[in-house]
Amino acid sequence: SQQGEEDPQALSIQEGENATMNCSYKTSINNLQWYRQNSGRGLVHLILIRSNEREKHSGRLRVTLDTSKKSSSLLITASRAADTASYFCATDATGANNLFFGTGTRLTVIP
Amino acid sequence: GAVVSQHPSWVICKSGTSVKIECRSLDFQATTMFWYRQFPKQSLMLMATSNEGSKATYEQGVEKDKFLINHASLTLSTLTVTSAHPEDSSFYICSALDRPGNQPQHFGDGTRLSIL
Repeated sequence: SQQGEEDPQALSIQEGENATMNCSYKTSINNLQWYRQNSGRGLVHLILIRSNEREKHSGRLRVTLDTSKKSSSLLITASRAADTASYFCATDATGANNLFFGTGTRLTVIP
Repeated sequence: GAVVSQHPSWVICKSGTSVKIECRSLDFQATTMFWYRQFPKQSLMLMATSNEGSKATYEQGVEKDKFLINHASLTLSTLTVTSAHPEDSSFYICSALDRPGNQPQHFGDGTRLSIL
């Protein structure tokens, strides 16, 4: 299976704290993306980082990518209760359009 | 922009019936659409890749006669679950690309299918 793995599986923090999620994948990639899913809903794209990039920022989000370790991390700073959701990393390979998703992290932000 | 609409959002039907799920790109033309299946508290598993005007490419282990995919236009792909059984109950999500290789994918809101 090309599915990646994420840790932790679940994370519970207080509002205002930072949340860090990690993703590991198995094969060479073209891009790595992070998506968010609220319960019972579709996915919302958060950020895309290319294989030749090492770090990317978008608002309160910071993503790092280490292709030598085949891993990525997503940091959400100053968390809010509305950040409560599941977060998935997804990778695509050069020349392929389909995505392979990680196992996901369920984040709960306590008000 | 880049809105994908999926319909219906929830369907309950009896075992043995066939169910059709639609995935539409509302403000762009989608040359490629994807169908995923998600079990509770699990990740998304790619079922098939659908290219406009050609046969879908199914992932290993996905029965193409069970899950019929049609991508007849640049804005519509359909997934038909034929002779559905309780084990087919799941959350089905579609996504679309506006150009090959042009990530990210744009996702629909999903369809919750419950087979009684």
